[in-house]
Amino acid sequence: DGGITQSPKYLFRKEGQNVTLSCEQNLNHDAMYWYRQDPGQGLRLIYYSQIVNDFQKGDIAEGYSVSREKKESFPLTVTSAQKNPTAFYLCASKPVSGELFFGEGSRLTVL
Amino acid sequence: AQSVAQPEDQVNVAEGNPLTVKCTYSVSGNPYLFWYVQYPNRGLQFLLKYITGDNLVKGSYGFEAEFNKSQTSFHLKKPSALVSDSALYFCAVRRYNFNKFYFGSGTKLNVKP
Repeated sequence: DGGITQSPKYLFRKEGQNVTLSCEQNLNHDAMYWYRQDPGQGLRLIYYSQIVNDFQKGDIAEGYSVSREKKESFPLTVTSAQKNPTAFYLCASKPVSGELFFGEGSRLTVL
Repeated sequence: AQSVAQPEDQVNVAEGNPLTVKCTYSVSGNPYLFWYVQYPNRGLQFLLKYITGDNLVKGSYGFEAEFNKSQTSFHLKKPSALVSDSALYFCAVRRYNFNKFYFGSGTKLNVKP
């Protein structure tokens, strides 16, 4: 079945460590997105990419990095520079025109 | 600046009664409007969208929404609520020809038996 796969579902990190969240899609969508969700704050855009080898910062990009080497993949690295990384992270993709398709999310907890 | 407001953090309704979840937006140019639903610890599921045409949009699971340009609103409605509709609902907007989406803060819907 076509869809978006995020892994891992749950991740624990010690302070000072970088972690990478995986996002893979087989929908043949050009655009991909990373959002952060905190209770009561809705979704905030971290990064998005409209084509391979190109990406743009969203509203809260500090402390995060991404790459888009393949159309199907858009991994997000949460660096040690991110001061408060504990959150639910959502990856999404979008066809040329239309709505976002979301993965099941990854919950990151800093110990 | 583009933005979405969901003025109610929580909406409570009895099963079988009609429900409304409110959304207002601010966007330059023609808006594309969306509703999503989220169950605990899950991703967002698409319910419906308004792109152009008829102001009343029908979507999944019996939900519908009405686009009102003069009031810049896009309220989500359902004639008869189910307990299983209890979830977190998000309204989103993007500008025509732009790829960036703006989300509201979400409304928790509680449907009591």
